[in-house]
Amino acid sequence: SQQGEEDPQALSIQEGENATMNCSYKTSINNLQWYRQNSGRGLVHLILIRSNEREKHSGRLRVTLDTSKKSSSLLITASRAADTASYFCATAVNTGTASKLTFGTGTRLQVTL
Amino acid sequence: DAGITQSPRHKVTETGTPVTLRCHQTENHRYMYWYRQDPGHGLRLIHYSYGVKDTDKGEVSDGYSVSRSKTEDFLLTLESATSSQTSVYFCAIERDRSDGYTFGSGTRLTVV
Repeated sequence: SQQGEEDPQALSIQEGENATMNCSYKTSINNLQWYRQNSGRGLVHLILIRSNEREKHSGRLRVTLDTSKKSSSLLITASRAADTASYFCATAVNTGTASKLTFGTGTRLQVTL
Repeated sequence: DAGITQSPRHKVTETGTPVTLRCHQTENHRYMYWYRQDPGHGLRLIHYSYGVKDTDKGEVSDGYSVSRSKTEDFLLTLESATSSQTSVYFCAIERDRSDGYTFGSGTRLTVV
């Protein structure tokens, strides 16, 4: 079962615009991560935000986390055609043996020129 | 991705045959994971390993087994392949708890 659910499922914007994707989850987490997947490729880790953090930045990426609402958002500013990809949120729960990630179904972002 | 390779990249196999997928890392990390990716389901955890000979089940482990006899290799075996196991399989390593996972390029498996 999915822990994270992304919204929207698909997003189409023009180059230079900002893209916002949302993620909701159901249970307590240790951290939340965002990944990008280009078509036919593996996932690439973008950013990790811990449960005690509220906002984090990395280049053109801004992630927020609201643990009271069990939700997160990923903002990509000044988007480029190269940002076209699927984006996944993943919630991490640390067990005694590993940090297991549970992924959502993703948001497909299309950036047009 | 640098440091993690999956083989084969593509495979077509017949129903009922055993299939083994290989994940190889060059960086001596303790934690390795196998996921499958299907449309509408995102990625789902099959099995994971937290050391040599130390493995545990994920949420979709039925029909799969794993082995890790040395740090660098994590093998996923479909004991008797079924059409429902047609999927893209991804291996991942965890370098550091603060860095997330590093994924391989995937194996596209088709069971006919």
